[in-house]
Amino acid sequence: DIQMTQSPSSLSASVGDRVTITCRASQDISSWLAWYQQKPEKAPKSLIYGASTLQSGVPSRFSGSGSGTDFTLTISSLQPEDFATYYCQQYNSYPRTFGQGTRLEIK
Amino acid sequence: QVQLQESGPGLVKPSQTLSLTCTVSGGSISSGDYYWTWIRQPPGKGLEWIGYIYYSGSTYYNPSLKSRVTISLDTSKNQFSLKLSSVTAADTAVYYCVREGYYPDTNWFDPWGQGTLVTVSS
Repeated sequence: DIQMTQSPSSLSASVGDRVTITCRASQDISSWLAWYQQKPEKAPKSLIYGASTLQSGVPSRFSGSGSGTDFTLTISSLQPEDFATYYCQQYNSYPRTFGQGTRLEIK
Repeated sequence: QVQLQESGPGLVKPSQTLSLTCTVSGGSISSGDYYWTWIRQPPGKGLEWIGYIYYSGSTYYNPSLKSRVTISLDTSKNQFSLKLSSVTAADTAVYYCVREGYYPDTNWFDPWGQGTLVTVSS
């Protein structure tokens, strides 16, 4: 199985801050990486696929980059609705695997 | 717009079989463009992929659960189902049904059902 490791596990930030979350794969997954946002008691929502392509309707303050084993999710200017948990997920091979999540909290 | 909705018992006794159904609306489960997938999330923890079924009936399961999992589909009702046998407390989780794209450049998970909590307890 491909192991996905996110850092940090949690992050405190303020509205307007720029934040970056990192995801590392245990082997090369090319650009077969997605990012999801999950709010409490809600299902995850797809944000980014192909490591850097925003899903339709996702604000442009979200961006993704990377390829191979190292990836980042950046939120350029945090908004109140962005405080949530974020997961990366590889779709290079089965079984599909997720990072452990990064909880983004209000400072 | 495709929507997925899970249904099934919220409480299952240890050693019994967990059974859930996902009803797909706004699209056909017989489309060859998608895998129909189950993912679970124990309370306060991360996401675990369980497996998928394709419209042809082919399946692929997480090796960690393979001996206990069966995913099936009912095209007449536009539904697919999950059975997990010999459950223990470790199987307590929110279970999501999810659509995954079939083609290599579409293999992300979207949309997700709202999820259903299944508790394993006597």
